Amino acid sequence: QVRLVESGGGVVQPGRSLRLSCATSGFSLRNYGMHWVRQAPGKGLEWVAKISFGGAKKYYAESVKGRFTISRDITNNTLHLQMNSLRDEDMAVYYCARDFQGNWAIDYWGQGTLVIVSS
Amino acid sequence: DIVLTQTPLSSPVALGQPASISCRSSHSLVHSDGNTYLSWLQQRPGQPPRLLIYKISNRFSGVPDTFSGSGAGTDFTLKISRVEAEDVGVYYCMQATEFPWTFGQGTKVEIK
Repeated sequence: QVRLVESGGGVVQPGRSLRLSCATSGFSLRNYGMHWVRQAPGKGLEWVAKISFGGAKKYYAESVKGRFTISRDITNNTLHLQMNSLRDEDMAVYYCARDFQGNWAIDYWGQGTLVIVSS
Repeated sequence: DIVLTQTPLSSPVALGQPASISCRSSHSLVHSDGNTYLSWLQQRPGQPPRLLIYKISNRFSGVPDTFSGSGAGTDFTLKISRVEAEDVGVYYCMQATEFPWTFGQGTKVEIK
């Protein structure tokens, strides 16, 4: 079955960097687009980034453009989110999620990894 | 960006009674390909979101038929025909017609 497991969250100071990973199983990253979606404590959902199933197209929320980079490792079936110049407002649970191919939705979600930005 | 506005923000419902959530978009969600990419998600307490409905009215695999979606253009509705205890949580609409994808602010469904 489809499984998404995030890792890499933790406490980081403002201005520093962090790299999140999402280990996937039950499907091939080669055939699916993938997303990162975040949720600040007690708040709603915010879409962060998408990488297309071919890997060539990447899309970002304006709030993270130029600071975050989504990428994937097909060999290891792992999705990444490189987060630079972190701000207080980036503090959130970050979910890795699979694109519902052809239906422009998100069909499977990981359990999330918490990023705390604090000095 | 497309803004999705959900009403109500909170919905206390008695067990077995229906519930309805509205999602209104600031722009038409009809894509240039003719489809409307509006979906509904459920987030139970302490859990990640779960897809319920995609493209307005299509139930995702394993979703009970007590959930239904409807609407067109800028106005959409999620209905739960009979609320059960396991339906407690926050419900979000999401649009994927254009980037950035955006979510409604969420509607909390609780048992009265």
